[in-house]
Amino acid sequence: LAKTTQPISMDSYEGQEVNITCSHNNIATNDYITWYQQFPSQGPRFIIQGYKTKVTNEVASLFIPADRKSSTLSLPRVSLSDTAVYYCLVDTGRRALTFGSGTRLQVQP
Amino acid sequence: EADIYQTPRYLVIGTGKKITLECSQTMGHDKMYWYQQDPGMELHLIHYSYGVNSTEKGDLSSESTVSRIRTEHFPLTLESARPSHTSQYLCASSVFGGEDEQYFGPGTRLTVT
Repeated sequence: LAKTTQPISMDSYEGQEVNITCSHNNIATNDYITWYQQFPSQGPRFIIQGYKTKVTNEVASLFIPADRKSSTLSLPRVSLSDTAVYYCLVDTGRRALTFGSGTRLQVQP
Repeated sequence: EADIYQTPRYLVIGTGKKITLECSQTMGHDKMYWYQQDPGMELHLIHYSYGVNSTEKGDLSSESTVSRIRTEHFPLTLESARPSHTSQYLCASSVFGGEDEQYFGPGTRLTVT
């Protein structure tokens, strides 16, 4: 499985754009890149998934460079409710996913 | 909203008791998973299943066992609970395929006294 590396924590203020970068140097050809969000005492929730270039949905954008060795989750205009742990995962989907330590995002008023 | 359910949500039980944590999903997903997570810590995969009669151990060694007799049901059993089993247990499911979005249940918080 491809190992991912992401910052342990980040701080931001309401209304700002937050970019969380994840490194996955050993990503395989068939791997997808997926981001999850987890609030305390809840299970993770799928945010966005991509294979290459850029993906955007109503919640976030995901930027993936051509070499696919990293990816950046972009959260536009964060609010206090975006305070959570964000996980970057890579996997072919042929077996279970591996969640790392994630990035703890703290949004301040 | 994902249709995946876990019962009980909270359980306090004494050492040595046998317990079964229930997980059911109504989405017809082939793949199901059990994760263990201590407060503020990583999720650790302890069991997964690709379908009926298929079960595999995950990355974290666990004294629990699972079964998959029906597609929608993936119970986890601890034959003899110990304080070291105190944790949150999260069940998830996904469609079998490359785009492997997992849907998580609300979790069971287990305390063994």
